[in-house]
Amino acid sequence: SQQGEEDPQALSIQEGENATMNCSYKTSINNLQWYRQNSGRGLVHLILIRSNEREKHSGRLRVTLDTSKKSSSLLITASRAADTASYFCATVKTSYDKVIFGPGTSLSVIP
Amino acid sequence: EAGVVQSPRYKIIEKKQPVAFWCNPISGHNTLYWYRQNLGQGPELLIRYENEEAVDDSQLPKDRFSAERLKGVDSTLKIQPAELGDSAVYLCASSLAAVNTQYFGPGTRLTVL
Repeated sequence: SQQGEEDPQALSIQEGENATMNCSYKTSINNLQWYRQNSGRGLVHLILIRSNEREKHSGRLRVTLDTSKKSSSLLITASRAADTASYFCATVKTSYDKVIFGPGTSLSVIP
Repeated sequence: EAGVVQSPRYKIIEKKQPVAFWCNPISGHNTLYWYRQNLGQGPELLIRYENEEAVDDSQLPKDRFSAERLKGVDSTLKIQPAELGDSAVYLCASSLAAVNTQYFGPGTRLTVL
């Protein structure tokens, strides 16, 4: 069963715009992770945010976590065509539990 | 540093045939994962190894799927016999430990005709 659900399922924006993707989950978590998958490639880990953290930054990426609402968001600022990919949120319930991926958001950045 | 290596990258077989996938994790990574990813979906864990031991295989269809990780390094995932519904991308990932970041290989795209 899938723990996280991303929203929207698909997003199309112009290069230079910001892209925001949301993830909602059902049960308490130890951490939440975001991954990127370019077409035909494996997944690349972007960022991990722990349940006691509210916001993390990595370059043009900003992730927030609201445990009271059981939701997270991924913001990509100043998007580039190379950001075109599928983005997945993944949740981990306990420290040594398995990672459960959502169905992903497909992002298209139009040059 | 070399990443996770998987082979083959693509495989087309007829139903009822056997198929095997191979994964070489990043050197020193004790934890190895096999995932299946259906089109338009996120990866779903099939099995997780801690060194040679399979610590989570609850999602592995054991009637037709088998996996091994000899000597705690390379791993092989086998399907016998394959069914039409097995068409998917099979991803291997590794990490230093279960709590650490997972690094994914490029995957094997399986098509069962």
